[in-house]
Amino acid sequence: KNQVEQSPQSLIILEGKNCTLQCNYTVSPFSNLRWYKQDTGRGPVSLTIMTFSENTKSNGRYTATLDADTKQSSLHITASQLSDSASYICVVSLNNAGNMLTFGGGTRLMVKP
Amino acid sequence: EPEVTQTPSHQVTQMGQEVILRCVPISNHLYFYWYRQILGQKVEFLVSFYNNEISEKSEIFDDQFSVERPDGSNFTLKIRSTKLEDSAMYFCASRFYGELFFGEGSRLTVL
Repeated sequence: KNQVEQSPQSLIILEGKNCTLQCNYTVSPFSNLRWYKQDTGRGPVSLTIMTFSENTKSNGRYTATLDADTKQSSLHITASQLSDSASYICVVSLNNAGNMLTFGGGTRLMVKP
Repeated sequence: EPEVTQTPSHQVTQMGQEVILRCVPISNHLYFYWYRQILGQKVEFLVSFYNNEISEKSEIFDDQFSVERPDGSNFTLKIRSTKLEDSAMYFCASRFYGELFFGEGSRLTVL
């Protein structure tokens, strides 16, 4: 069964600190892996998309890594800001279409002043 | 920046009533989707729509659900007879190719 597991489920950090969120998946075959940020009560917003051949991709203070051999990905947030408080969702895709996305349960990040 | 817009943002309805959720996808996009997220749970795929027909649907998308694109811009999700367990956030999404853009969601509460 295709699954995407994220850890930790929730995380509290102080403003300015770095953090790393983890994602393990069993989805196969694998096309791409996406990280989304979802503010409470809002729609997911794409942060990064990586194909199996990419090891790392950055978007500002967000850096995603991918190890397709071990089926693990991480999202590193540098110099956190209060506005980073949100759920971060790892999504693995069997193909490029939106009907084959497997969503993780998300990590709820709270950044405190 | 173009965005996917959804209405209503929140709808409260009685069990058994029909509900229509509306979406305006980004104008040049070709593929349209509905997802739902029950409170505290993962986002789940409902249905995909391309070239004016359903291209794929999940087990959740049973006969109570239907989608249509009545006028070439709006993309609607209809729930014929709502059940308590239909209470969730419903997200519309669209893409041209590659990246998927989500709307802000419509929260449905069934009493």
